[in-house]
Amino acid sequence: NAGVTQTPKFQVLKTGQSMTLQCAQDMNHNSMYWYRQDPGMGLRLIYYSASEGTTDKGEVPNGYNVSRLNKREFSLRLESAAPSQTSVYFCASSEARTGNTEAFFGQGTRLTVV
Amino acid sequence: AQSVSQHNHHVILSEAASLELGCNYSYGGTVNLFWYVQYPGQHLQLLLKYFSGDPLVKGIKGFEAEFIKSKFSFNLRKPSVQWSDTAEYFCAVRNNTGKLIFGQGTTLQVKP
Repeated sequence: NAGVTQTPKFQVLKTGQSMTLQCAQDMNHNSMYWYRQDPGMGLRLIYYSASEGTTDKGEVPNGYNVSRLNKREFSLRLESAAPSQTSVYFCASSEARTGNTEAFFGQGTRLTVV
Repeated sequence: AQSVSQHNHHVILSEAASLELGCNYSYGGTVNLFWYVQYPGQHLQLLLKYFSGDPLVKGIKGFEAEFIKSKFSFNLRKPSVQWSDTAEYFCAVRNNTGKLIFGQGTTLQVKP
């Protein structure tokens, strides 16, 4: 049972380049999330999708776009990468947006923008 | 706006000491509350969660947390920490739209 799978695990980009971080879950969850983790700042929500077909901005959405491709997949795109986007990115999924369900996390993508 | 505040950023304890990590949130509606742990180099794992009922919840590895609605708090406790508890701890709050917000995290270092 893979759970939440993120690709790639590591990536180095040059300033201005674009890329898409992929996330897929095999638990038939409805809700999915993208976070960035920076030292001393915890996890900050970039975007979330409460259910298939919906997406909403989180705390730090600027510079990012998302696509909820289907129930399984939720991708995060950086159109023009900046050094400030150097971070560890985590995808998570949850069975439902409320109720007795917790979020499960992927292993993370370490992104460096030079 | 919904927010989560963890009071302690870095805590250093000796083995067998008691632990209490503070967490306060700001949101007036119904919330679900969580504590997650991140061991070095790993992803986040759930320690415990609160949805309703008994405000004192027990999680894995001897951790517990108490929800005090009037104080908007959800503090994490453990009576006796072990060296293996060295990790970063995150409090999180989810509102009824599904938005899941985390605190800044607390790094716990347990000295053997």
